[in-house]
Amino acid sequence: DAKTTQPPSMDCAEGRAANLPCNHSTISGNEYVYWYRQIHSQGPQYIIHGLKNNETNEMASLIITEDRKSSTLILPHATLRDTAVYYCIVRGSSGTYKYIFGTGTRLKVLA
Amino acid sequence: DSGVTQTPKHLITATGQRVTLRCSPRSGDLSVYWYQQSLDQGLQFLIQYYNGEERAKGNILERFSAQQFPDLHSELNLSSLELGDSALYFCASSVEGQDNSPLHFGNGTRLTVT
Repeated sequence: DAKTTQPPSMDCAEGRAANLPCNHSTISGNEYVYWYRQIHSQGPQYIIHGLKNNETNEMASLIITEDRKSSTLILPHATLRDTAVYYCIVRGSSGTYKYIFGTGTRLKVLA
Repeated sequence: DSGVTQTPKHLITATGQRVTLRCSPRSGDLSVYWYQQSLDQGLQFLIQYYNGEERAKGNILERFSAQQFPDLHSELNLSSLELGDSALYFCASSVEGQDNSPLHFGNGTRLTVT
């Protein structure tokens, strides 16, 4: 079962920052938070991951709360091409190697 | 391009038939994952292999089986196909051996059972 909770859908204006929340209140100490996105029916695309520190790459920033029970993916300047389903996943070495995808957040970037 | 190759891209077959989907992982990746995505549904984890050995199993039907070969490519075999097996089947690979290695997905095989 998915260990994360995400809003089913969000809208964002083009050029604005898109902030996608994820709740993972049962995360354990050695579990990482991963974000992927799926554009239409393409294969999911890896975006970013982190353990407890904030992370940034060329695609996005990941902000993890101090208690690690939630995180936010930030797309700093959303474009129409960022319209996709975004998945937040937690996964670590706590006895499972499964990547379990939840239902994700359907982000629609509006012109 | 993720570096993960899946063939064929599309497959149309009839109920009761058997098909084989193929996945070539990224160079250097030892782990292969298979997922099923039915229309407007989420990604369902089926099975994972690491360096030729089964490592984790998800909701994989008994009619489905998979294996990973010495050259690390993997095949997913689907038999006695039913209409409900129509879906996108994705393969992903990772370096594994590190707890924080992300998955890299192929573009999937779209299976249509008629």
